[in-house]
Formats: sequence, C-alpha cells, structure tokens
Amino acid sequence: GAVVSQHPSWVICKSGTSVKIECRSLDFQATTMFWYRQFPKQSLMLMATSNEGSKATYEQGVEKDKFLINHASLTLSTLTVTSAHPEDSSFYICSAREGGREAQPQHFGDGTRLSIL
Amino acid sequence: GQNIDQPTEMTATEGAIVQINCTYQTSGFNGLFWYQQHAGEAPTFLSYNVLDGLEEKGRFSSFLSRSKGYSYLLLKELQMKDSASYLCAVLLGDYKLSFGAGTTVTVRA
Repeated sequence: GAVVSQHPSWVICKSGTSVKIECRSLDFQATTMFWYRQFPKQSLMLMATSNEGSKATYEQGVEKDKFLINHASLTLSTLTVTSAHPEDSSFYICSAREGGREAQPQHFGDGTRLSIL
Repeated sequence: GQNIDQPTEMTATEGAIVQINCTYQTSGFNGLFWYQQHAGEAPTFLSYNVLDGLEEKGRFSSFLSRSKGYSYLLLKELQMKDSASYLCAVLLGDYKLSFGAGTTVTVRA
C-alpha cells in the first residue's frame, strides 16, 4: 500500500527556534500534500494544501509567514515552523494523495510531535 | 463552515458490536471516509463511501445516506486492539478532507 514517511517524529526545542518537518511519499507520486495540526483530544485541523511546483494554499487563520511550506517535488513537501513558541506545540501530520484519482484516500505520515520549551 | 458531528466517546465489551454515527452538513461532498487513530499515532484509512449503501470490509462496515447527511461505522467482534479514536471525514470538492472531532472507543474485557 501507499506509504508516507514523515520526519522527524519528535522535536523538542527552545522558543524562537525554527523547525523543519519533511513529508515524503515513498512509493507514489503525490501531486497534492496536506498539512494538519492536532491538539490533544481534538481532531485534525487542516493548515494548508501543498501543490507541487506552486504556492501552498493556507486555511483561514493560519499564518503563511510562520508556517512555510515548500513542495519542490512530487514526493517531498516540507513544513517549516519559523520562530516557534510554546503555543505552537502540537502534533503535526502530513498526508498525500495520488494525483488524478479523486476518490483515493489520503495517506498519512506518522506525525511529528513538536514541543517548544 | 463545515459541520461534522459524531459522539465523543463509546464503550463496549470485547466481542460485541459498536456503531459510530456521523452526521454532516458541508459545502461540498465527494465522499465520506472513516479513519482509525490510535493515541499518538497518525490516522489509518478504514473505509470510503460515495454512493448510498453499505460497504463491508471484514469486521468493519460503513454505511452512507447522502440524502440524510448520515453515515455510520460498524465494528463487529470487537477486540481490545480496536480501542482507538475513529474519525469521520468528508471529502470536499477540492480534495480537502474535513474531519469530525472523532469518537473514542474503549473496548473492555
């Protein structure tokens, strides 16, 4: 089945640090990748949609200058949390869908648990 | 905004059956997904419905009624490993998924 790899799994860092999270589709080409954030005991909230070769589309209320997304190839998207603060601590999950097949499920990475001290 | 409702918690006994309901009112609809999520892990795909009716996959079945904006996930022969959160998600017109808050199912021996 389709595999999405997300790295790193855990990040603990000081306030003010920028953190980069990678999301890779290992055995399929993902024209679209999605970035979600999940706070404890809450559901996944879509942050942005990342399309290969173009600018990401951010959901309302998500600061694009704080959460930088790059989708440089059909298998890699990155999310950089710039100048992270404790309120950015959360579980960040990426997902990817194969291009051109609307009914295909999104495949999720294992998530990155970000803790800002 | 999108409105997707499902119960917060359900408890059932090992070997029993549990039905998780999901109602939705969304700006678009291209199908409904159910995902399973264990604590601290990413969601895994369980089922997809786009037409009315029942889809069966082993111990798990999912039902959809588009006219009623309603779906359910049926878990049969519950096992301890089925203790998890179950997420109902609607596929919107632009490939985005809008998730419900999730239903935490606890299976007791």
